[in-house]
Amino acid sequence: DQQVKQNSPSLSVQEGRISILNCDYTNSMFDYFLWYKKYPAEGPTFLISISSIKDKNEDGRFTVFLNKSAKHLSLHIVPSQPGDSAVYFCAASEDWGAQKLVFGQGTRLTINP
Amino acid sequence: EPEVTQTPSHQVTQMGQEVILRCVPISNHLYFYWYRQILGQKVEFLVSFYNNEISEKSEIFDDQFSVERPDGSNFTLKIRSTKLEDSAMYFCASSERVIVAFFGQGTRLTVV
Repeated sequence: DQQVKQNSPSLSVQEGRISILNCDYTNSMFDYFLWYKKYPAEGPTFLISISSIKDKNEDGRFTVFLNKSAKHLSLHIVPSQPGDSAVYFCAASEDWGAQKLVFGQGTRLTINP
Repeated sequence: EPEVTQTPSHQVTQMGQEVILRCVPISNHLYFYWYRQILGQKVEFLVSFYNNEISEKSEIFDDQFSVERPDGSNFTLKIRSTKLEDSAMYFCASSERVIVAFFGQGTRLTVV
């Protein structure tokens, strides 16, 4: 089941630069998308979300872009900070009322000083 | 800041034994979930619970699994007869409204 795919298992970025994490999906019924961050030995922490009626949502240093025609979303973090080093998961749901999140495999982001 | 808490943090059990994983969701939340992550794999949805009943469950959530909200604050996941392949990190989550779920720190279940 590869409905949500994060093709980069890892990404290394210099502190202060932009981090771009990518996510692709195959299920055209997905209507709502979320990004979670996970540190070792902790649960996923919600970062930011976007519904399919938008193409961009911004919250501080975090911006999520959605390209519905390409079934692609990305998370931009700028500027990147050492505390951003974590595993980032993309997740999707079929509608606002659905309660099941489908997760990608995750991308490990490392911010180098 | 309110958080979802899970106990124990690590549970080791023998194959065939029953285990109960416990969770205390955020107090004003109405929707409760269990997810699991087998080592090196994706986080997978198991079950959602609303208004004292299961609202959705995945194919993984077969007859050996059950959930309960026994006392208005705890939310439990029971695995009746554990198998080796049940070894995973189990995450409880809750949400005030649907979709944006807040996760606990997880219980690592090791079946030997």
